[in-house]
Parts: sequence; C-alpha cells; structure tokens
Amino acid sequence: EIVLTQSPGTLSLSPGEGATLSCRASQSVSSSFLAWYQQRPGQAPRLLIYRTSTRATGIPDRFSGSGSGTDFTLTISRLEPEDFAVYYCQQYGTSPLTFGQGTKLEI
Amino acid sequence: QVQLQESGPGLVMPSETLSLTCTVSGASITGHYWSWIRQPPGKRLEWIGYIHGSGSTKYNPSLKSRVTMSLDTSKNQISLSMTSVTPASTAVYYCARGRLTSGYPPFDSFDIWGHGTMVTVSS
Repeated sequence: EIVLTQSPGTLSLSPGEGATLSCRASQSVSSSFLAWYQQRPGQAPRLLIYRTSTRATGIPDRFSGSGSGTDFTLTISRLEPEDFAVYYCQQYGTSPLTFGQGTKLEI
Repeated sequence: QVQLQESGPGLVMPSETLSLTCTVSGASITGHYWSWIRQPPGKRLEWIGYIHGSGSTKYNPSLKSRVTMSLDTSKNQISLSMTSVTPASTAVYYCARGRLTSGYPPFDSFDIWGHGTMVTVSS
C-alpha cells in the first residue's frame, strides 16, 4: 500500500501568515488522485482539495494544492483563526485508499 | 442537503462483533459509493472499505477477513459489521460519501462525512 508521510508534524504560525504543508508518498500517486482535508477538534474531516489542486465546493481561494508523482503541497495564504486545525492528505490512485498521519497547524 | 448519521453501541466487548449503521438523508444511497473510515485516538484515519448503492463492496485488505458492509435501500442505510474486535479497534467510526469520478477509481475523495461515532472496545 502507499504510505503517505506528512511534514512538518506541527506548524506554529500566526494569523495573516502563510503556511506550506507537505505530503510525500512512498510510490507515485496515480493520476494525481491526492486530496486534502481539514479537521477541527471534535469534528469530522472536511474536504478541501481533490485531484491535487481542485478546490472543493465552498473552499476559499486562500487554499491551494499542487504537486505530482510522490510530492504534494497544500498552501494556505493569509491564515485566518479558523484555519488552525489538523490537515490530512489522502490518496486513492492505488488501492487501498490511505491517509497521511496529519499536520497540526497551531497558533 | 445530504446528511449522514452514524449510530450504534458505544461499548463493545473484546472478541465480539461491532455493528454500526449510517443513515443517509437528502439523497438516495443508490448510485453512490459509501465508505466507512475509522480514527483511533490520536492516530491517522484508516479506510475500512466501501459499498456501492448496487451492493458491490471493496474492503481494505488489512481488515477484509473481519468486515462486512451491507445496505438497506428501503431505509436508506448502510451498515458495517466487524468481527473479533480488540482494544485496537477503539476509534471514532465515520461514514462518508465518495466523490464520483468518470472512470477508475470510481471515486477519489470524500465530499460528505457523518459526525462520527465513538466505539470503545473494553471488558
């Protein structure tokens, strides 16, 4: 199975700053089927990005995704207070579908 | 809008069977892929498997021998059964809808999630 490794484990930033989160796959992710989720405490994950770079419905344009092959990035520009949460990447180019271990974005 | 609600016992004894139900409102379960995903405390999300509205299934090989998913179209519900649970099965269990693609894989991410239900395996 494809193992997804996210870095850093924790990212400490302030509102207004930009954030760059990394997701590295143990094998190439087929057809860029890489997605990103945001999970706030006590809530279910929320889909942010699918197919590497397409924002899900209702997601503000300060969230953007990029990458290919084994290296993918989620970029958040101009952090808002509600952006401080845990972020997960997920792939389904190869079965079984797998998730990264998460990056905690904290103030 | 589409909503998912998981339900089931919050406590299961070791070696017994965990049974959960996901009730879908706002959309028919036919024509979509519905997955179960779990998250042990402090750990990463783990995909358990999916069931399509037609009844076809695919399970994570790591759990395949212990998992069965089924659906009840009359109630618009999806069910999960996991046998021989251990304390390592303790987790929040989510049901989620797959975002459809035009080819393979049939979905690539999860666009709608339930709130999740906490299941503890303990004697």
